[in-house]
Amino acid sequence: AQTVTQSQPEMSVQEAETVTLSCTYDTSESNYYLFWYKQPPSRQMILVIRQEAYKQQNATENRFSVNFQKAAKSFSLKISDSQLGDTAMYFCAFRAGNQFYFGTGTSLTVIP
Amino acid sequence: GAVVSQHPSRVICKSGTSVKIECRSLDFQATTMFWYRQFPKKSLMLMATSNEGSKATYEQGVEKDKFLINHASLTLSTLTVTSAHPEDSSFYICSARGGTWESTDTQYFGPGTRLTVL
Repeated sequence: AQTVTQSQPEMSVQEAETVTLSCTYDTSESNYYLFWYKQPPSRQMILVIRQEAYKQQNATENRFSVNFQKAAKSFSLKISDSQLGDTAMYFCAFRAGNQFYFGTGTSLTVIP
Repeated sequence: GAVVSQHPSRVICKSGTSVKIECRSLDFQATTMFWYRQFPKKSLMLMATSNEGSKATYEQGVEKDKFLINHASLTLSTLTVTSAHPEDSSFYICSARGGTWESTDTQYFGPGTRLTVL
């Protein structure tokens, strides 16, 4: 069975600081994709970053980067230079075939 | 990027009535669409997966006759909540996955619909 675990229900970070959100997953699939989605108070789910499992290089999108450890089945999200607009729920997600699995989310608050 | 719209954004209805929610992929063809339900401060709960032109696949525990899903075209899927009751009040989110290289491996989400059943 595929599972996605986010062990941090809530986190906070000072504005301009760096924060890392953790995510682990379990799968027997060899070909899959990993995602981080952001859900701000508007509740619109926004794709933050994605990683193909076959790629060794960690994905980066501006201030967002991941630390993908395939052997450990870990996929953490690092947010650098945190901004107030980063305050949101963050969901880690995993896709194998046509199936998507979401973690329970981490509520991130950026403190001014 | 890939854009998904959802309509209406908010609906209030009386108990016993039916409500239809539309989900459209605006700039790509969605071969697969997903319908989720989200409770406050909770993760997304997948209700069903629909492929264009075929019957939807419902998750365990989701009533097929209550939540009717139609995916008649590559850009439109609808969710109809039939004979709605107060316990159906929730936030419903659709997402789409397309057939182009850019969108085929990623879900793009609509903005959600807040359903309140009185």
